[in-house]
Amino acid sequence: DVKVTQSSRYLVKRTGEKVFLECVQDMDHENMFWYRQDPGLGLRLIYFSYDVKMKEKGDIPEGYSVSREKKERFSLILESASTNQTSMYLCASSSPAGGDSYEQYFGPGTRLTVT
Amino acid sequence: GDSVTQMEGPVTLSEEAFLTINCTYTATGYPSLFWYVQYPGEGLQLLLKATKADDKGSNKGFEATYRKETTSFHLEKGSVQVSDSAVYFCALSDQQGGSEKLVFGKGTKLTVNP
Repeated sequence: DVKVTQSSRYLVKRTGEKVFLECVQDMDHENMFWYRQDPGLGLRLIYFSYDVKMKEKGDIPEGYSVSREKKERFSLILESASTNQTSMYLCASSSPAGGDSYEQYFGPGTRLTVT
Repeated sequence: GDSVTQMEGPVTLSEEAFLTINCTYTATGYPSLFWYVQYPGEGLQLLLKATKADDKGSNKGFEATYRKETTSFHLEKGSVQVSDSAVYFCALSDQQGGSEKLVFGKGTKLTVNP
């Protein structure tokens, strides 16, 4: 059974703290993604990675960075958390589509509150 | 760029009612189309997909047909249950520049009352 896990379901941090969100997949997928989900805005892509040590900016990368040192793990880093980063964060993974399908598998999400 | 527009919610139905959630898209090329569902407190999970024109995806009583001529992928279910209460997202594969990203609609919240 495919599995994407995220390190925390709920997280409360203070403004200015450095925050790490961890995501692990056990499907040997090459592609991994970080989204944030906000009411009325749907899912917005923050960063994605096609391979170890590879990363590309998504639609809203400002204020975030990522790290992918191992194939199964993709970390999202908030260098200095701000209140406008309070959100639900979702991690996903997929294997190369090969021209057929781009199905992504999602983790349960981390609800981050920055006070 | 590619985009997905889905009907705004929230949608409230009684049990056994017929459900339609509209989804239209704008894309270059021939994307794959998806419906994802998010139950309360959970991440997204794939509900159904279609990879080419006229394909019908189906799962758990839900159906959607890939209509290239109307650029649509409407989600339907003949008789909804309370357990179908969730947020539904339409998505397409972004094929520009060899990318393997998905582009999501904003989601439609469905509440089914007993």
